[in-house]
Amino acid sequence: AQSVTQLDSHVSVSEGTPVLLRCNYSSSYSPSLFWYVQHPNKGLQLLLKYTSAATLVKGINGFEAEFKKSETSFHLTKPSAHMSDAAEYFCVVSDDEKAAGNKLTFGGGTRVLVKP
Amino acid sequence: DGGITQSPKYLFRKEGQNVTLSCEQNLNHDAMYWYRQDPGQGLRLIYYSQIVNDFQKGDIAEGYSVSREKKESFPLTVTSAQKNPTAFYLCASRWTTNTGELFFGEGSRLTVL
Repeated sequence: AQSVTQLDSHVSVSEGTPVLLRCNYSSSYSPSLFWYVQHPNKGLQLLLKYTSAATLVKGINGFEAEFKKSETSFHLTKPSAHMSDAAEYFCVVSDDEKAAGNKLTFGGGTRVLVKP
Repeated sequence: DGGITQSPKYLFRKEGQNVTLSCEQNLNHDAMYWYRQDPGQGLRLIYYSQIVNDFQKGDIAEGYSVSREKKESFPLTVTSAQKNPTAFYLCASRWTTNTGELFFGEGSRLTVL
């Protein structure tokens, strides 16, 4: 069985400072991992994904994430927060499709507040 | 442009009425999904379909029904049996591979009056 835990439900940062969103996962197989962003009353947009290639993944809008198998983590970072980064972020794991029935598991989400 | 279209964006329903939410994709994806999102909560899977004329229940299927008669369409019906239907509903699609990411529609907000 697969699971995802986002360690912080809320994160508050000042504009121009780094952002760190933490995600831990469990998976019985080689997982694919994704980070999505959701602005209010909108659908989810893919920021980046890890699919067993490079462990450091670069995404859109200056975000990146590092896959650490030994720590079962996939934390999302950005060097300098912008006001437009205020949103909710979801970490998602996709396990072996046969075992998981092609389902994906979502973390509970982290709401990011950016202060001027 | 390729993408997923959900309609309507806002829908109001009286108690006891069934309503159907539309989801259409032109990405040629095999798999389609319906999620429910409540305020301050993550996404919960209602139904998903990996192929035409086949679908599986997700974690909260009670009170909902779906059909998959065409590859590009996956409508969701919220029936009167759903006790608390007020929520934000998201449709998504993807390729049926482990590495394929989900593509989401813009969502439909259902309010029961």
